[in-house]
Amino acid sequence: KNEVEQSPQNLTAQEGEFITINCSYSVGISALHWLQQHPGGGIVSLFMLSSGKKKHGRLIATINIQEKHSSLHITASHPRDSAVYICAVRPLNYGGSQGNLIFGKGTKLSVKP
Amino acid sequence: NAGVTQTPKFRILKIGQSMTLQCAQDMNHNYMYWYRQDPGMGLKLIYYSVGAGITDKGEVPNGYNVSRSTTEDFPLRLELAAPSQTSVYFCASSYEGRPYNEQFFGPGTRLTVL
Repeated sequence: KNEVEQSPQNLTAQEGEFITINCSYSVGISALHWLQQHPGGGIVSLFMLSSGKKKHGRLIATINIQEKHSSLHITASHPRDSAVYICAVRPLNYGGSQGNLIFGKGTKLSVKP
Repeated sequence: NAGVTQTPKFRILKIGQSMTLQCAQDMNHNYMYWYRQDPGMGLKLIYYSVGAGITDKGEVPNGYNVSRSTTEDFPLRLELAAPSQTSVYFCASSYEGRPYNEQFFGPGTRLTVL
Protein backbone atom coordinates (compact mmCIF):
# COMPACT_ATOMS: atom_id res chain seq x y z
CA LYS A 1 0.00 0.00 0.00
CA ASN A 2 1.34 3.42 -0.93
CA GLU A 3 1.97 5.76 1.96
CA VAL A 4 0.28 8.61 0.08
CA GLU A 5 -2.90 7.91 -1.86
CA GLN A 6 -4.69 10.43 -4.07
CA SER A 7 -8.17 10.29 -5.50
CA PRO A 8 -9.39 10.46 -8.10
CA GLN A 9 -6.54 9.50 -10.46
CA ASN A 10 -8.20 11.34 -13.33
CA LEU A 11 -10.82 14.05 -13.26
CA THR A 12 -12.63 15.80 -16.09
CA ALA A 13 -14.70 18.88 -15.29
CA GLN A 14 -16.60 21.57 -17.12
CA GLU A 15 -15.43 25.14 -16.83
CA GLY A 16 -16.90 26.78 -13.76
CA GLU A 17 -17.30 23.59 -11.72
CA PHE A 18 -16.10 23.23 -8.13
CA ILE A 19 -13.36 20.61 -7.95
CA THR A 20 -12.09 18.54 -5.04
CA ILE A 21 -8.97 16.38 -5.04
CA ASN A 22 -8.29 14.17 -2.03
CA CYS A 23 -5.08 12.97 -0.41
CA SER A 24 -4.83 10.34 2.34
CA TYR A 25 -1.61 9.28 4.02
CA SER A 26 -0.64 6.58 6.47
CA VAL A 27 2.40 8.03 8.27
CA GLY A 28 2.80 10.73 10.89
CA ILE A 29 3.72 13.98 9.22
CA SER A 30 4.99 17.43 10.05
CA ALA A 31 3.64 19.04 6.88
CA LEU A 32 1.82 18.35 3.64
CA HIS A 33 2.49 19.92 0.26
CA TRP A 34 0.28 20.40 -2.77
CA LEU A 35 2.13 20.78 -6.05
CA GLN A 36 0.99 21.50 -9.59
CA GLN A 37 2.65 19.94 -12.61
CA HIS A 38 1.91 21.78 -15.83
CA PRO A 39 1.33 19.94 -19.12
CA GLY A 40 4.82 21.06 -20.15
CA GLY A 41 6.27 19.22 -17.15
CA GLY A 42 7.23 22.03 -14.78
CA ILE A 43 6.38 21.58 -11.09
CA VAL A 44 5.41 24.42 -8.78
CA SER A 45 4.50 24.41 -5.13
CA LEU A 46 0.94 25.55 -4.39
CA PHE A 47 0.62 25.09 -0.63
CA MET A 48 2.45 23.80 2.37
CA LEU A 49 0.31 23.23 5.43
CA SER A 50 0.48 21.50 8.77
CA SER A 51 -2.97 22.32 10.10
CA GLY A 52 -6.25 23.97 9.18
CA LYS A 53 -6.80 25.65 5.88
CA LYS A 54 -5.00 27.89 3.39
CA LYS A 55 -6.41 29.88 0.49
CA HIS A 56 -4.71 31.39 -2.54
CA GLY A 57 -6.99 32.88 -5.17
CA ARG A 58 -9.40 30.16 -6.31
CA LEU A 59 -7.42 27.41 -4.61
CA ILE A 60 -8.16 26.18 -1.10
CA ALA A 61 -6.26 23.47 0.75
CA THR A 62 -7.40 21.85 3.97
CA ILE A 63 -5.85 19.26 6.22
CA ASN A 64 -7.14 17.08 9.05
CA ILE A 65 -4.11 15.72 10.90
CA GLN A 66 -6.15 13.35 13.09
CA GLU A 67 -7.82 11.75 10.07
CA LYS A 68 -4.59 11.86 7.97
CA HIS A 69 -6.43 13.52 5.11
CA SER A 70 -6.11 16.64 2.99
CA SER A 71 -8.22 18.13 0.22
CA LEU A 72 -7.44 20.59 -2.53
CA HIS A 73 -10.40 22.56 -3.82
CA ILE A 74 -10.59 24.67 -6.96
CA THR A 75 -13.50 27.08 -7.22
CA ALA A 76 -14.82 28.32 -10.57
CA SER A 77 -12.50 26.01 -12.50
CA HIS A 78 -10.96 27.18 -15.75
CA PRO A 79 -9.22 25.33 -18.61
CA ARG A 80 -5.90 26.83 -17.48
CA ASP A 81 -6.28 24.79 -14.25
CA SER A 82 -5.72 21.64 -16.34
CA ALA A 83 -2.66 20.01 -14.83
CA VAL A 84 -1.53 17.16 -12.60
CA TYR A 85 -1.95 17.95 -8.91
CA ILE A 86 0.45 16.16 -6.60
CA CYS A 87 0.17 15.64 -2.86
CA ALA A 88 3.40 15.11 -0.90
CA VAL A 89 3.94 14.60 2.81
CA ARG A 90 6.90 15.39 5.02
CA PRO A 91 7.06 12.40 7.41
CA LEU A 92 8.12 12.59 11.01
CA ASN A 93 11.24 10.60 11.89
CA TYR A 94 12.09 9.84 8.28
CA GLY A 95 15.57 8.79 9.30
CA GLY A 96 17.18 11.27 6.98
CA SER A 97 16.84 14.79 5.77
CA GLN A 98 14.04 16.67 7.42
CA GLY A 99 13.16 18.00 3.99
CA ASN A 100 12.49 14.61 2.39
CA LEU A 101 9.01 14.17 0.95
CA ILE A 102 6.87 11.17 0.03
CA PHE A 103 4.81 11.85 -3.09
CA GLY A 104 1.44 10.64 -4.28
CA LYS A 105 1.02 9.56 -7.89
CA GLY A 106 -0.92 12.69 -8.79
CA THR A 107 -4.41 13.54 -10.01
CA LYS A 108 -4.72 14.52 -13.65
CA LEU A 109 -7.31 17.28 -14.01
CA SER A 110 -8.77 18.33 -17.34
CA VAL A 111 -11.15 21.28 -17.41
CA LYS A 112 -13.21 21.59 -20.60
CA PRO A 113 -14.44 24.96 -21.86
CA ASN B 1 16.83 35.06 -9.81
CA ALA B 2 16.91 32.14 -12.23
CA GLY B 3 15.70 29.76 -9.50
CA VAL B 4 16.61 26.12 -10.18
CA THR B 5 18.11 25.41 -13.59
CA GLN B 6 18.76 22.03 -15.18
CA THR B 7 20.66 21.00 -18.28
CA PRO B 8 20.15 19.35 -20.66
CA LYS B 9 16.38 19.38 -21.27
CA PHE B 10 16.46 16.20 -23.33
CA ARG B 11 19.04 13.48 -23.89
CA ILE B 12 19.17 10.10 -25.58
CA LEU B 13 21.85 7.70 -24.36
CA LYS B 14 22.94 4.29 -25.52
CA ILE B 15 23.16 1.44 -23.02
CA GLY B 16 26.45 1.62 -21.17
CA GLN B 17 27.12 5.31 -21.83
CA SER B 18 27.53 7.75 -18.99
CA MET B 19 26.45 11.34 -18.51
CA THR B 20 26.05 14.09 -15.95
CA LEU B 21 22.82 15.96 -15.39
CA GLN B 22 23.55 19.48 -14.22
CA CYS B 23 21.56 21.34 -11.58
CA ALA B 24 22.16 24.79 -10.15
CA GLN B 25 20.24 27.12 -7.86
CA ASP B 26 20.83 30.76 -7.06
CA MET B 27 18.59 31.07 -3.99
CA ASN B 28 21.29 30.14 -1.45
CA HIS B 29 19.26 27.09 -0.45
CA ASN B 30 21.00 24.62 1.81
CA TYR B 31 19.04 21.51 0.74
CA MET B 32 19.04 20.06 -2.76
CA TYR B 33 17.37 16.96 -4.17
CA TRP B 34 17.30 14.75 -7.23
CA TYR B 35 14.07 12.97 -8.15
CA ARG B 36 12.99 10.73 -10.96
CA GLN B 37 9.46 10.56 -12.27
CA ASP B 38 8.28 7.48 -14.12
CA PRO B 39 4.93 7.36 -15.97
CA GLY B 40 2.03 6.80 -13.57
CA MET B 41 4.30 6.89 -10.53
CA GLY B 42 5.02 9.45 -7.88
CA LEU B 43 8.34 11.26 -7.72
CA LYS B 44 11.05 9.12 -6.17
CA LEU B 45 14.04 10.57 -4.33
CA ILE B 46 17.40 9.50 -5.75
CA TYR B 47 19.87 11.51 -3.66
CA TYR B 48 19.77 14.60 -1.52
CA SER B 49 22.21 17.02 0.04
CA VAL B 50 21.85 19.08 3.20
CA GLY B 51 24.77 21.34 2.39
CA ALA B 52 28.05 21.61 0.52
CA GLY B 53 30.10 18.46 0.97
CA ILE B 54 27.22 16.43 2.43
CA THR B 55 25.15 14.01 0.37
CA ASP B 56 23.02 10.98 1.17
CA LYS B 57 21.03 8.30 -0.59
CA GLY B 58 17.32 8.52 -1.13
CA GLU B 59 14.88 5.79 -2.06
CA VAL B 60 16.33 4.79 -5.47
CA PRO B 61 20.08 5.56 -5.55
CA ASN B 62 21.39 2.54 -7.48
CA GLY B 63 23.13 3.46 -10.72
CA TYR B 64 23.62 7.12 -9.76
CA ASN B 65 26.19 9.27 -8.01
CA VAL B 66 26.16 12.87 -6.82
CA SER B 67 28.50 15.48 -5.48
CA ARG B 68 27.98 18.84 -3.83
CA SER B 69 31.17 20.87 -3.89
CA THR B 70 29.36 24.22 -3.73
CA THR B 71 26.05 25.45 -2.32
CA GLU B 72 24.83 26.25 -5.83
CA ASP B 73 25.55 23.07 -7.80
CA PHE B 74 24.34 19.49 -7.40
CA PRO B 75 25.19 17.35 -10.45
CA LEU B 76 23.81 13.83 -10.90
CA ARG B 77 26.06 11.29 -12.57
CA LEU B 78 24.77 8.24 -14.42
CA GLU B 79 27.39 5.54 -14.97
CA LEU B 80 26.69 2.65 -17.37
CA ALA B 81 23.23 3.83 -18.43
CA ALA B 82 20.50 1.19 -18.50
CA PRO B 83 16.99 1.24 -20.06
CA SER B 84 15.54 1.24 -16.52
CA GLN B 85 16.99 4.74 -16.10
CA THR B 86 14.72 6.12 -18.82
CA SER B 87 12.75 8.72 -16.90
CA VAL B 88 12.22 12.41 -16.29
CA TYR B 89 14.67 13.78 -13.74
CA PHE B 90 13.89 16.76 -11.54
CA CYS B 91 16.26 18.70 -9.35
CA ALA B 92 14.83 20.70 -6.46
CA SER B 93 16.07 22.89 -3.66
CA SER B 94 14.76 24.27 -0.39
CA TYR B 95 15.86 26.27 2.60
CA GLU B 96 15.20 24.04 5.56
CA GLY B 97 14.48 25.81 8.74
CA ARG B 98 11.48 26.54 10.92
CA PRO B 99 8.90 26.95 9.54
CA TYR B 100 9.56 24.33 6.89
CA ASN B 101 9.76 25.83 3.46
CA GLU B 102 8.60 24.77 0.04
CA GLN B 103 10.73 22.95 -2.49
CA PHE B 104 11.52 24.72 -5.75
CA PHE B 105 11.81 22.51 -8.81
CA GLY B 106 13.86 22.75 -11.96
CA PRO B 107 12.22 22.26 -15.38
CA GLY B 108 13.31 18.63 -15.65
CA THR B 109 15.51 16.54 -17.92
CA ARG B 110 13.88 13.88 -20.10
CA LEU B 111 16.32 11.00 -20.50
CA THR B 112 15.87 8.03 -22.82
CA VAL B 113 18.27 5.08 -22.72
CA LEU B 114 18.17 2.86 -25.79
